[in-house]
Amino acid sequence: AQSVAQPEDQVNVAEGNPLTVKCTYSVSGNPYLFWYVQYPNRGLQFLLKYITGDNLVKGSYGFEAEFNKSQTSFHLKKPSALVSDSALYFCAVRDAPGANYGQNFVFGPGTRLSVLP
Amino acid sequence: SAVISQKPSRDICQRGTSLTIQCQVDSQVTMMFWYRQQPGQSLTLIATANQGSEATYESGFVIDKFPISRPNLTFSTLTVSNMSPEDSSIYLCSVGRGGRSGNEQFFGPGTRLTVL
Repeated sequence: AQSVAQPEDQVNVAEGNPLTVKCTYSVSGNPYLFWYVQYPNRGLQFLLKYITGDNLVKGSYGFEAEFNKSQTSFHLKKPSALVSDSALYFCAVRDAPGANYGQNFVFGPGTRLSVLP
Repeated sequence: SAVISQKPSRDICQRGTSLTIQCQVDSQVTMMFWYRQQPGQSLTLIATANQGSEATYESGFVIDKFPISRPNLTFSTLTVSNMSPEDSSIYLCSVGRGGRSGNEQFFGPGTRLTVL
């Protein structure tokens, strides 16, 4: 079964500095990897995904993530953080394509990002 | 993408009562999903709802507690039955998109439930 780890409960970064939110995964086959963001009192918003191809994936709001197969990681990055990036970030993984998306779509525990002005 | 709405957005309920949460999608989808997000926790899949068949429940969730309806391809409901304070959570519905869009899920805004 697949699993996702986000080793940091909380990440603090000053506005304008680069940010990294870490994610490692475990799957039996090829991974499909995702990042979602949850703002206060809101649902989850899709940020980006890795399915295949270039290891560096660009997504919404200036975020990007780098897939590293040897390290089984998919860290979320942004070159210059904004106060408005403060939110809860979830990494998710699934290990196979197919119609039954939900039953093998696993979320990490989440990392709370605080960007300080 | 998909635009998903949920009703109610939040509710405060008494122990022992039931609440039905509605989820509406702006396009037809085969599968809809219901998640629970307990305070300070990640998302846990409750069940997968297919139109025209019984929902498929994950381990730890049963139909008597969380009955689900899926009357058509754009709508689903989740009922939280005989509620207790432990049911206080955010409940989210989602839909999946496959093919070239790569299978990501899109989520509704959630229903924040507080049980007293």
